[in-house]
Amino acid sequence: GAGVSQSPRYKVTKRGQDVALRCDPISGHVSLYWYRQALGQGPEFLTYFNYEAQQDKSGLPNDRFSAERPEGSISTLTIQRTEQRDSAMYRCASSLGTERSPDTQYFGPGTRLTVL
Amino acid sequence: AQSVAQPEDQVNVAEGNPLTVKCTYSVSGNPYLFWYVQYPNRGLQFLLKYITGDNLVKGSYGFEAEFNKSQTSFHLKKPSALVSDSALYFCAVRDPADRGSTLGRLYFGRGTQLTVWP
Repeated sequence: GAGVSQSPRYKVTKRGQDVALRCDPISGHVSLYWYRQALGQGPEFLTYFNYEAQQDKSGLPNDRFSAERPEGSISTLTIQRTEQRDSAMYRCASSLGTERSPDTQYFGPGTRLTVL
Repeated sequence: AQSVAQPEDQVNVAEGNPLTVKCTYSVSGNPYLFWYVQYPNRGLQFLLKYITGDNLVKGSYGFEAEFNKSQTSFHLKKPSALVSDSALYFCAVRDPADRGSTLGRLYFGRGTQLTVWP
């Protein structure tokens, strides 16, 4: 079956512009996660959703970052007034959302964001 | 605080030899541990996870990992390496005490680049 998809795969923008990154999770997956991965580092947690509810946004670095998942499926991560330090790979993951055992997160290919 | 350490940035091994990629963790309780692999221009792929029970966990592509609570380690192993195993490997931990749920954030190490030469 189809895995997690993300679009665009690559995004180049100018400093000060807003960007929206999209994530389409695996069908039937309740939980959706966003991570950011700088070059040479492991992914760092940003936020996650169960259905449409944002459960934890403590990883969002500042108020320029926001995320939504209005219908409990596709999610959008928005970065307003982008800065060069926002350049990174943005990864989305989804999981079944069962609480009976620790959930496995399945990752998409990522969006490479470059802010000039 | 939760953290994961992968002490080796790079591991090089000859094809056919056993390989080990090291991981140590720090969490307040009993951890949930994961290994992921990243191939160039691809997403992170799940390899295996430890939840409870047998300390030796078997996963995809012939990989296995051994949980050692006393050493707080979860090293990834494979008896006989293949050139196609060359990739970037990430260890990750879930802290069960983190919001008291089985869901939620993973804490990742920095990754270890594995190179298997013919």
